[in-house]
Order: sequence, then C-alpha cells, then structure tokens
Amino acid sequence: QVQLQESGPGLVKPSETLSLTCTVSGGSISSHYWSWIRQPPGKGLEWIGYMFNSGSTYIKHSLKSRVTISTDTSKNQFSLKLSSVTAADTAVYYCARHTGGDGFRGVYFDYWGQGALVTVSS
Amino acid sequence: QSLLTQPPSVSAAPGQKVTISCSGSSSNIENNYVSWYQRLPGTAPKVLIYDNDKRPSGTPDRFSGSKSGTSATLGITGLQTGDEADYFCGTWDSSLSAVVFGGGTKLTVL
Repeated sequence: QVQLQESGPGLVKPSETLSLTCTVSGGSISSHYWSWIRQPPGKGLEWIGYMFNSGSTYIKHSLKSRVTISTDTSKNQFSLKLSSVTAADTAVYYCARHTGGDGFRGVYFDYWGQGALVTVSS
Repeated sequence: QSLLTQPPSVSAAPGQKVTISCSGSSSNIENNYVSWYQRLPGTAPKVLIYDNDKRPSGTPDRFSGSKSGTSATLGITGLQTGDEADYFCGTWDSSLSAVVFGGGTKLTVL
C-alpha cells in the first residue's frame, strides 16, 4: 500500500520560502507522477504541479515563477519550495500520486498524504 | 473562485440518496475525464470515481459517477452516517493545461 506523508514548518514569515517534503513509502517515486495540491481556508483545492521521471517537472502557469519541485530518490522523497510567500499562500498542502490514461485527459489522484497546514504570518 | 462549481453543502437522511453536481465548461469537463474524491474528517482524500464513472476497487457500488456535456454528477445511495465528508470533483483543463477542482461539497447525513 502506497503511503505519503508531508512534513515541514507549519509557520512561514511573509516574503520567505515555504518548504515541504513528501515521503513516499510502499512504492518508488521513480515511477508514476507526483503532485502537490493545496487548499486555502474556505476555498477549493488548487493543483500546484507535478514531478515525474525522477526530476522532470511541470508547474501550473500562475505559480511557475515561485515554485520549485525537486526529488531525492535515495530517500524516496519529493519536495516543494514556494518563494516570496504571502498570506494568500496559507493553506493545507497535500502531496499526491497521480495516474490516469489518455495523456492528462484522464488524470486523477489515487494516493494522497494527510496534508500539512502551513500558515504565512509574521 | 474554483473553475468547477459544486454546491457548498447537501444533506439527506440515512438510507436516502443524494447527488452532488459539478459544473464546468468545454475546456474541462466536456472534453476530459472527471474524478471524484471523498475527504472524511481528519483523513487524506480518497478517490471514489475516475474516468467519469469508474470505481476503484474498494469503492462501494453505492457510489456512482456520470457526466453529460459540461456537468458531472456523483450519486450516493443508501446513505450512511459514515458518508459524512467533503466531496470534490476534479478534471484536466485543456486551456489552462492544469488540473482543476471544484470548491467541494460538504455532505451531512441527518
């Protein structure tokens, strides 16, 4: 059974960089696509981007200038860095494995972490 | 503002049926596949439906999905108190080249 667990600071100051790590167990991150998704308080889910093939990434256009997704295959982990954060980046951040067919037309998320709340505040 | 529109909340009595709608557009729902997720309180989201109407192993057949045009629907029959959760729809948006989700619907089983 694949399991994912997010970890990282729960409080980040405005203008600093938010860093989260997702540890995957029960499966290798060298296969499949791995995504970051967030949910601000009172709002819907927002997909941030994905990593695949142990390093290739795709970031949602509106966040591209601030987001880096990287991987550490030796630890079976992938990470999210979001720079220049503001209060609008306060959210529960999820890592998830995504799968599906027909290119991305059939994309869906079959395993999720529990989520990590990150608050941006001074 | 989510690109996919869901009702904020729905409710029904135990044993009854409920439907949750997810409305989108030609760039997302109409031309791509919809998935549905359940997030029970304090737990990780879980996929209930993928490819519009397919159930992963482990999803009870009380849960069903359908799609017509730019809208999708999740149906739940034989409601149980354990079904109280947040439900989200998701799909690919071909114009944005991004995954998009609905705002989520909170189901209350009265």
